[in-house]
Amino acid sequence: AQSVSQHNHHVILSEAASLELGCNYSYGGTVNLFWYVQYPGQHLQLLLKYFSGDPLVKGIKGFEAEFIKSKFSFNLRKPSVQWSDTAEYFCAVNLNQAGTALIFGKGTTLSVSS
Amino acid sequence: GAGVSQSPSNKVTEKGKDVELRCDPISGHTALYWYRQSLGQGLEFLIYFQGNSAPDKSGLPSDRFSAERTGGSVSTLTIQRTQQEDSAVYLCASSFTRAQETQYFGPGTRLLVL
Repeated sequence: AQSVSQHNHHVILSEAASLELGCNYSYGGTVNLFWYVQYPGQHLQLLLKYFSGDPLVKGIKGFEAEFIKSKFSFNLRKPSVQWSDTAEYFCAVNLNQAGTALIFGKGTTLSVSS
Repeated sequence: GAGVSQSPSNKVTEKGKDVELRCDPISGHTALYWYRQSLGQGLEFLIYFQGNSAPDKSGLPSDRFSAERTGGSVSTLTIQRTQQEDSAVYLCASSFTRAQETQYFGPGTRLLVL
């Protein structure tokens, strides 16, 4: 069955620390990959996405992610986190074909202390 | 432009009552998805509409759940005879119908069944 695993349930960092959130998926076929973010009290927003091409993608607010096909991974990174990055982060996958639902990981809560 | 809107934002109901949740997708988006976000289960797909095609109902948890999409735009999710385990945030997302496409989420309806 298709699944998405996020390795960290809760990550606590100090400002300026580097961040890496792991995401692995199990999904047959060509996939699209996404990271969504949910800030406190706000709705899900797209952080970045991978469809094809360069496996290193850059998103908003200095985030980037690397698709490693051989490892079925799409890890999220940021070199220096800010207090405003405190949020819940979701990795999601769907098939690279029209009209397929997203499969989400369980989410990682990031808490950044100033 | 306007994003996905959902109403009501919060709904409290008594066990056994029926509820209707509404979603207005982004104008021009042909695909519409309903998801549920709950503490125990994370984010789960419920149902998908694309244009005038028959919906993909494969994620609906029981026959108490149904949805319709009128005129290819607004959608209503109906839960009959609500149970306490239906308590969750119900999210709507919309997109264009293409293989490489981003789903944009609404703010959700938080449902509490007493």
